[in-house]
Amino acid sequence: DAGITQSPRHKVTETGTPVTLRCHQTENHRYMYWYRQDPGHGLRLIHYSYGVKDTDKGEVSDGYSVSRSKTEDFLLTLESATSSQTSVYFCATGDSDQPQHFGDGTRLSIL
Amino acid sequence: TQLLEQSPQFLSIQEGENLTVYCNSSSVFSSLQWYRQEPGEGPVLLVTVVTGGEVKKLKRLTFQFGDARKDSSLHITAAQPGDTGLYLCAGDRGAQKLVFGQGTRLTINP
Repeated sequence: DAGITQSPRHKVTETGTPVTLRCHQTENHRYMYWYRQDPGHGLRLIHYSYGVKDTDKGEVSDGYSVSRSKTEDFLLTLESATSSQTSVYFCATGDSDQPQHFGDGTRLSIL
Repeated sequence: TQLLEQSPQFLSIQEGENLTVYCNSSSVFSSLQWYRQEPGEGPVLLVTVVTGGEVKKLKRLTFQFGDARKDSSLHITAAQPGDTGLYLCAGDRGAQKLVFGQGTRLTINP
């Protein structure tokens, strides 16, 4: 257990509403990542952080923003959710530049 | 198009049988990782292979990295029901560009 907590674990919301997912870690890892997992696509990187207030885009960043104000917290925000953002979202952490530990995911449904 | 192709995507076999899962690409990777994921949980890192031709063993699991560092395989000997899960390979292209395959869903029947 790498001490990663994702919240909420499940969420159902409507198109056009803002949504924020939280990832909290207790291991003091420098790097944190947000992935989405969809059938037939594996995991795809949305955004990542390499330190407090240091973030960068991943493969599928459109429609998402992130913030990291503390080492332990990495937030993913959907400013105006769309049905194509229905997915399972995973947070990951690592002390090198590749993810080593994953959280248990947030299942997000946008109706 | 998928940069990393895993095959088969689904595999159901009987306990005690052997199996091999393949992860193929036309791209070269600096390293390749294998994960196992169970329903409702996140992926768990099993192994990282770095050197072309490298073979790593984890109990009944044998991982191999191709000589050209474009492909990898996972071989399970005498599969057990506890091996059931989704197996993911991921190739490292550097600078946080970890590319995942679609996964192989493995079911071991008692």
